Parts: sequence; C-alpha cells; structure tokens
Amino acid sequence: NAGVMQNPRHLVRRRGQEARLRCSPMKGHSHVYWYRQLPEEGLKFMVYLQKENIIDESGMPKERFSAEFPKEGPSILRIQQVVRGDSAAYFCASSPNPTGNTEAFFGQGTRLTVV
Amino acid sequence: KQEVTQIPAALSVPEGENLVLNCSFTDSAIYNLQWFRQDPGKGLTSLLLIQSSQREQTSGRLNASLDKSSGRSTLYIAASQPGDSATYLCAVEGGANNLFFGTGTRLTVIP
Repeated sequence: NAGVMQNPRHLVRRRGQEARLRCSPMKGHSHVYWYRQLPEEGLKFMVYLQKENIIDESGMPKERFSAEFPKEGPSILRIQQVVRGDSAAYFCASSPNPTGNTEAFFGQGTRLTVV
Repeated sequence: KQEVTQIPAALSVPEGENLVLNCSFTDSAIYNLQWFRQDPGKGLTSLLLIQSSQREQTSGRLNASLDKSSGRSTLYIAASQPGDSATYLCAVEGGANNLFFGTGTRLTVIP
C-alpha cells in the first residue's frame, strides 16, 4: 500500500504563473487535508476535502487559492498568479475517517519556489 | 484559538543520552495529540498518536505522555542515536478535522 503521493516534489514558478500541486491519498482513504509550511514556521492547515466536497477551507487564502478532490483522480491544490510569498512546502495528508479518531498520514510535500 | 508551543527550539545531545521534548497547548479540548518526525527536506512521519482519553503511548525507544488538563505533552527518547537527529513536531486536533502544529524541536544527536 503506497503512502500518500505528492507531485511534483519541487516546483519552480515565475511570479504571475499558476501552480498545480497534486496529491493521491493512500488507498482506501477518502479524506484529504492540505497544509502549508512557510520557512521557519510551523505547518498551517489550509483545507479539508472529502471526495467531491470541500468540508473546511477556513485556512485557505480567499483569493488565488482553490482546491478540489474529484470523484476520480488526485486532489489538486491550485494557486493562481503566484507571488513570492507563496514559496513554501505544501503537504497533503489523508485518513480513512475524519481525523478525530484516526491518525493522518502525510506525503513528502511539494516545495514551491516562486522566482 | 489553539496555540501549540514546543520547547526547546533546538537541542544537541551526545549519543546514548535520554532526552525529553516538551509540547504545550492552550485549549485542553482536544481529540488527540500526535508526535511527528520531519527530516530536512522531507515529509512528516507519524511517531505516536495519543487519544484524549489516554495518558501515554510507547513505541520502541519512544514514550509520549499527555496531560490534557494542564495542556502538556512530552516525548521521551531513550538511548538516543545519531539517526534520531531530525525535527520533532507536536500537533493537536481540536475536533475541527485539522491539526494545529508547533514549530518543532530540532534535535541533533552527536556521535
């Protein structure tokens, strides 16, 4: 059973471009969470999705950021018109149930650099 | 709003020493607390999960305790090894289906 798979591992974008980060949860997991880790800061929650539904996006910036988890395929975190401040490591986690009772498993992360 | 603090921010110990990492949180209404390990440039590896009804969990040389009422957790590492060098993160879940993380303790075990 492969773990949580994120790709790409590293992504470089110029200011104003779009960044698409992909996350394939562990097999059998239907709950996906995205976190952002800014340099020298702790991980911060962004969004929680189940298949085809956004459950909680309270941590996501209101503009330029969006997330989806379609019925088929990976979860996508999309950042439009990237700025230097978007440079960070973006981690995806998955769980078979809401994480109140079970642990979340994290991917290796995507390191986004905006130049 | 939940805030998680980890002390110390960095720790250097000689190989073989036992050590304790500390985590404190401001809101005691948590579902669980989890300790992770993060290696440089890598993802997070879950070490131990303590449910709110539990007091401690053990895995090999690791022992984590939880005192919910005082908002504290400790991670005890016995007989430290150079391979234990990493950043250790504490995270709590308050039932909102997301984790609140501390900024971590960077551990270096010197051979």
